[in-house]
Amino acid sequence: AQKITQTQPGMFVQEKEAVTLDCTYDTSDQSYGLFWYKQPSSGEMIFLIYQGSYDEQNATEGRYSLNFQKARKSANLVISASQLGDSAMYFCAMRGPSGNTGFQKLVFGTGTRLLVSP
Amino acid sequence: DSGVTQTPKHLITATGQRVTLRCSPRSGDLSVYWYQQSLDQGLQFLIQYYNGEERAKGNILERFSAQQFPDLHSELNLSSLELGDSALYFCASSARDRGTGNEQFFGPGTRLTVL
Repeated sequence: AQKITQTQPGMFVQEKEAVTLDCTYDTSDQSYGLFWYKQPSSGEMIFLIYQGSYDEQNATEGRYSLNFQKARKSANLVISASQLGDSAMYFCAMRGPSGNTGFQKLVFGTGTRLLVSP
Repeated sequence: DSGVTQTPKHLITATGQRVTLRCSPRSGDLSVYWYQQSLDQGLQFLIQYYNGEERAKGNILERFSAQQFPDLHSELNLSSLELGDSALYFCASSARDRGTGNEQFFGPGTRLTVL
């Protein structure tokens, strides 16, 4: 079974600093996808970044980058130059093998609450 | 704005009642997914539809059912509601039913409160 672990219930960072949110995963599959979503206090889930298990380069999207270490089964999210608007819950998620419709569901971690202070 | 719409935004009802949550996927997306987010269970996958057909089932209770219509919108029906069904229900959509990438984009959610 697939499992996502986020060990940091909360993180604090000062504005303009970088922060790393940890995510480790467990799967026996060779093909999988890893996602990060942001959930502000308003409740919506915002897609941030995706990394495929066969992608050789770490994914980047603007200020977000994913530090993918396959051997360690970790997929940490790095937010550079934090902004006040980055304060939110952040969820790491995994999707199972492509090609099998039964594994398109996302399995989520418990989330990390990030607070950015001025 | 993800392009996924959900109605209603909030729903307050009593135990034993039945409610219907509605979702319209992003234009062009054929897959719809339903998730439940509660304090004790976290975010859990309920069910997936692709082009009108059920594709995958997760931890969906027998009191819950869903369908996807020819115009691709989807409805999640919750019946015989219990206090524990209070949660935020998300709909997500993606372009395909499988494949690499195939990111899921989430709607704003429907917050259900059962009193």
